[in-house]
Amino acid sequence: EPEVTQTPSHQVTQMGQEVILRCVPISNHLYFYWYRQILGQKVEFLVSFYNNEISEKSEIFDDQFSVERPDGSNFTLKIRSTKLEDSAMYFCASSGDTDTQYFGPGTRLTVL
Amino acid sequence: AQSVTQPDIHITVSEGASLELRCNYSYGATPYLFWYVQSPGQGLQLLLKYFSGDTLVQGIKGFEAEFKRSQSSFNLRKPSVHWSDAAEYFCAVAPMEYGNKLVFGAGTILRVKS
Repeated sequence: EPEVTQTPSHQVTQMGQEVILRCVPISNHLYFYWYRQILGQKVEFLVSFYNNEISEKSEIFDDQFSVERPDGSNFTLKIRSTKLEDSAMYFCASSGDTDTQYFGPGTRLTVL
Repeated sequence: AQSVTQPDIHITVSEGASLELRCNYSYGATPYLFWYVQSPGQGLQLLLKYFSGDTLVQGIKGFEAEFKRSQSSFNLRKPSVHWSDAAEYFCAVAPMEYGNKLVFGAGTILRVKS
């Protein structure tokens, strides 16, 4: 069964550094998403992406964040200058014509 | 604004006992409804979903959920819990349009006593 994959599984970075989280969505899906889950809190929507552009973003998704689909398979989330409060589990998801979102295993980002 | 309430933060049941996890939503119209499960250190796995039609939906691992429009609820049930069901369960809603964000509840942590 096709699945969403994410790399790396764990990323440790220093405050102020740039990080790029990578995702490979399910191949025939058209909609892509990033969510995050701060430890002990609920899963929060960050951004959705369709047809090579952002379709919706939350207030969390400020100018420090960007998303890109650099080729036909990858979907990336970049944080330009990480802060301590960016430490969280980041989930990528994708959906096709059934409008069901399938999630990857997540990347745990730790900002020191 | 859309919101999802899972009133139980923790639930403990004995193995073999029945289970019901509650979910209520606040939304202007009937949204799409989902239950996801997250095992420790793992991602979110879809258990089941409701889009339309029969209000009792069957999912994986023996779970089912019933949509009750009058109560704005979508409770998850399982007749006999197994130790491997111990995990965190999230209810989520999304508007009935393609590509829309999911709004999650806070989650319910299920513990299973042997």
